Amino acid sequence: SQQGEEDPQALSIQEGENATMNCSYKTSINNLQWYRQNSGRGLVHLILIRSNEREKHSGRLRVTLDTSKKSSSLLITASRAADTASYFCAVDNFNKFYFGSGTKLNVKP
Amino acid sequence: DTGVSQDPRHKITKRGQNVTFRCDPISEHNRLYWYRQTLGQGPEFLTYFQNEAQLEKSRLLSDRFSAERPKGSFSTLEIQRTEQGDSAMYLCASSLGGILYGYTFGSGTRLTVV
Repeated sequence: SQQGEEDPQALSIQEGENATMNCSYKTSINNLQWYRQNSGRGLVHLILIRSNEREKHSGRLRVTLDTSKKSSSLLITASRAADTASYFCAVDNFNKFYFGSGTKLNVKP
Repeated sequence: DTGVSQDPRHKITKRGQNVTFRCDPISEHNRLYWYRQTLGQGPEFLTYFQNEAQLEKSRLLSDRFSAERPKGSFSTLEIQRTEQGDSAMYLCASSLGGILYGYTFGSGTRLTVV
């Protein structure tokens, strides 16, 4: 499969802690994206990292990409209860993106 | 509202009935995508349009499924002779096209086939 696969499947942390989610994929990519989904809602685009980039920041989010290992990580710093959601990585494949099964993050207040 | 709109939000139908969903993308976005998502899974690609042209369809899109984007603006997804296995969230997304832009997703249409 060319999908991204997230790890862990579920993560539970205390508010204020950092959360790290990983994504592995199998093919060459042009870019990789991370999305958030609250229960029963649509997906919200968080960040896009191009294949020639190694790290990108957006607010409390930090994304890394290692194309040699075909992996990416999403770090959420100083987590808040409102960060509770499922997080998906999406890898591009000829102008469309394939999603993994997601990491379910629970941030306890 | 300048986001992606999907209608209806929820649809309950009896097995064997036909259903049609509508998606209104962001107006300047020329690419429109349909995905299907079941509980606990990530979205699965169904099909996408560049303007009015349907450029690719997934093998998931059986002959009971048809999608159109007649004027390159809104799109419809029709499922004929619905089956219980069609129960899912159907998500529409749009983008400016190319691989350097993220998608903007709608809130989805949740289909329940009883």
